[in-house]
Amino acid sequence: DAKTTQPPSMDCAEGRAANLPCNHSTISGNEYVYWYRQIHSQGPQYIIHGLKNNETNEMASLIITEDRKSSTLILPHATLRDTAVYYCIALNNNNDMRFGAGTRLTVKP
Amino acid sequence: DAGVIQSPRHEVTEMGQEVTLRCKPISGHNSLFWYRQTMMRGLELLIYFNNNVPIDDSGMPEDRFSAKMPNASFSTLKIQPSEPRDSAVYFCASSNPGRGPSSSYNEQFFGPGTRLTVL
Repeated sequence: DAKTTQPPSMDCAEGRAANLPCNHSTISGNEYVYWYRQIHSQGPQYIIHGLKNNETNEMASLIITEDRKSSTLILPHATLRDTAVYYCIALNNNNDMRFGAGTRLTVKP
Repeated sequence: DAGVIQSPRHEVTEMGQEVTLRCKPISGHNSLFWYRQTMMRGLELLIYFNNNVPIDDSGMPEDRFSAKMPNASFSTLKIQPSEPRDSAVYFCASSNPGRGPSSSYNEQFFGPGTRLTVL
């Protein structure tokens, strides 16, 4: 699976959009981009995934560049409860999901 | 559904003792994963099973670690003998790839974890 690169930390003001970037320049054609988050002391939680089209669900939006070398997870109106570590993972059809260091997002009042 | 169930939630043991961690996946899920999380190494995949069969155990640190899945509703991760460096949070997760909003859906559902401390 392709390696992903994320900034180690980010801050966001409560109520504003949080935009979390991820680079996956070596992603292959059959690898999906998955996003998970881990709130302190809990197990990781699935957020969203996509292949090449932008995706949106009740939690977030995922914007994938046309060349698929990078993506951005958008939390449209961040709340204090969105403070967590966010993981971007490139995953093919196998189940071998490798978590990197992720981005620690802190939402501030 | 109660979600993925792990027991115990906390375990404190002494070096050299055998430790057994337990996991009950979500009913109907056919894939099960064991992860370990430490501050130094982050979240690591140890082993995963498809339909009760171990598929990839390359993440298992050494022979002291073993995992079994005797049936679709139960798995164990055993450490024998335990060492202080095994102290970590161990997560179990389950999934049912392809059975969801799309054929690419592969969400893993994580349990609450077992916090292991080896003294």
